[in-house]
Amino acid sequence: EPEVTQTPSHQVTQMGQEVILRCVPISNHLYFYWYRQILGQKVEFLVSFYNNEISEKSEIFDDQFSVERPDGSNFTLKIRSTKLEDSAMYFCASSLQGESWSEKLFFGSGTQLSVL
Amino acid sequence: KNEVEQSPQNLTAQEGEFITINCSYSVGISALHWLQQHPGGGIVSLFMLSSGKKKHGRLIATINIQEKHSSLHITASHPRDSAVYICAVLNTGNQFYFGTGTSLTVIP
Repeated sequence: EPEVTQTPSHQVTQMGQEVILRCVPISNHLYFYWYRQILGQKVEFLVSFYNNEISEKSEIFDDQFSVERPDGSNFTLKIRSTKLEDSAMYFCASSLQGESWSEKLFFGSGTQLSVL
Repeated sequence: KNEVEQSPQNLTAQEGEFITINCSYSVGISALHWLQQHPGGGIVSLFMLSSGKKKHGRLIATINIQEKHSSLHITASHPRDSAVYICAVLNTGNQFYFGTGTSLTVIP
């Protein structure tokens, strides 16, 4: 079965450093998402991406965050200057094109980001 | 303020029991998702609902749009069903809101 892959599985960084989290969505999917889950808390929506641009973003997704689809297969989340509170599990997801966002989501296994 | 409320937060059941997890939401939605998060953290999408009922194996999901309520049922529960079950809604503004999850433990 096709799957969404995320790399790395764990990332440790110093506060203030830039990190790039990578995702390879399922090849024929056109909608892409990033979510995060701080330890012990609920999953939070960050951003959705379609047709090479951001479709929706949450309040969490401030100027420190950016997303990119640089080469037609990878979908990246960049955090420019990491803060301690950015430590979380980051999940990528993708879905097939549809008339709305109401398509089944396929999740990657997540990248655990630890900011020291 | 939680746009999505789940109950119960924790649930322990004996193998074979019928399980129900409830989700109530306060926003207008275009879809509701039931997700399963495994102990290792990975998330699997179980169902996407916009109306009615869906069934997949031992899992059944229902939604009542008028009452803003959805239920996930597991028939003949098994220890491998032990996981956190998360309700997530997509509102009419295309924003996702997640419940805090229901932690299910099925005892052999």
